Amino acid sequence: DIQMTQSPSSLSASVGDRVTITCRASQSISSYLNWYQQKPGKAPKLLIYAASSLQSEVPSRFSGSGSGTDFTLTINSLQPEDFATYYCQQSYNTPPYTFGQGTKLEIK
Amino acid sequence: QVQLQESGPGLVKPSQTLSLTCTVSGGSISSGRYYWSWIRQPAGKGLEWIGRIYTSGSTNYNPSLKSRVTISVDTSKNQFSLNLSSVTAADTAVYFCARETGFHSQQWFDPWGQGTLVTVSS
Repeated sequence: DIQMTQSPSSLSASVGDRVTITCRASQSISSYLNWYQQKPGKAPKLLIYAASSLQSEVPSRFSGSGSGTDFTLTINSLQPEDFATYYCQQSYNTPPYTFGQGTKLEIK
Repeated sequence: QVQLQESGPGLVKPSQTLSLTCTVSGGSISSGRYYWSWIRQPAGKGLEWIGRIYTSGSTNYNPSLKSRVTISVDTSKNQFSLNLSSVTAADTAVYFCARETGFHSQQWFDPWGQGTLVTVSS
């Protein structure tokens, strides 16, 4: 299976900050990488697909980049509603699909 | 728009079979080229993909669970289901159903059901 490793595992930031979350794959996955946001008690919500494409109705302060093994999710000008846990997920080749362990973004 | 809703027992005894159903509304489960997946999340932990089914009945399972998992589809009811046999406390989790969509071989999960908590305990 392809292992996905996110860093950091947790992050404290303030409203208005710019934050970057990193996801590394154990082998090259081209651009087969998606990002999700999950709030407590809720299902994950798709933010970014195919490494850098913004899902419809997701604010433009979210962006994704990377290819191969290294990917980043950037949030510009953090808003109060952005404090959540973020997961990357690879969809390379055939299943099993795998997720990163998550990055919890907390208010400083 | 398409919505998904999980249903099933919230408590299952060890060694028994966990059975959940996902009902799709707002569209036909048979329309489009979609896979339908089950994903789970133990409390305070990350997400684990369990398996998926195409409306033709073709399935793929996570090798870590393959010996215990069966996913089926009932197009007449617009539902797909998960059976996980011989459960233990380690199978206690919130179980989500989700539609797998995409293009040009890119795939992602959207939308998701709200999730249902299943506890394995005697």
